[in-house]
Amino acid sequence: EVQVVESGGGLVQPGGSLRLSCAGSGFTVSSNYMSWVRQAPGKGLEWVSIIYTGGKTYYADSVKGRFTISRDNSKNMLSLQMNSLRVEDTAVYYCVRCSPHSDPRFVNFGFWGQGTLVIVSS
Amino acid sequence: QSVLTQPPSVSGDPGQRVTISCTGGDSNIGAGYDVHWYQQFPGTAPKLLIYGNKNRPSGVPDRFSGSKSGASASLAITGLQAEDEADYSCQSFDSSLTAWVFGGGTKLTVL
Repeated sequence: EVQVVESGGGLVQPGGSLRLSCAGSGFTVSSNYMSWVRQAPGKGLEWVSIIYTGGKTYYADSVKGRFTISRDNSKNMLSLQMNSLRVEDTAVYYCVRCSPHSDPRFVNFGFWGQGTLVIVSS
Repeated sequence: QSVLTQPPSVSGDPGQRVTISCTGGDSNIGAGYDVHWYQQFPGTAPKLLIYGNKNRPSGVPDRFSGSKSGASASLAITGLQAEDEADYSCQSFDSSLTAWVFGGGTKLTVL
């Protein structure tokens, strides 16, 4: 059974750092496009970052230079290192296994974790 | 303001047909990128509802259908049921931003 389980959320002060983790089971993280999508309270979905099977990464402009997506193949895990956090980064962060596709621009977000809440507040 | 534009809310009576629009531009839907739709109930993670403009994942009732024309896409729900009350979001890729983009979401109310 395919599962993705996020962890690492919590309360952090503005300017602080937090590292989110996503454990995959029932599939190989490194063989899939993997992404992070977030949702601020009462707001819509916002794509944050994606990592290709080959390791190439992309980021939303709102987090570029502050967030880093990575994976640990030996642990079958995905991570999101979040630095210089801002109040507007407060959201539920979802780890998502993207659908397989020959062109990553056409992938959908096929399988979602339950999310982990990040609150940035003083 | 989202790159893809959706109505904030739609409503319909049980048994009726409702549609939710998703309007983009020349760098996303109009450029030929696929549109995908997600269904989300309060307090839960989104679920893929329609992929590749019009395809349903296994287990999604055929009451849900998707279409795309030009720079816009639509989600149609026929035979509306109380259990369809949820938030619906469209998603595509934007080549100008090099980003995967979502609509702002539409709240469906079954009257």
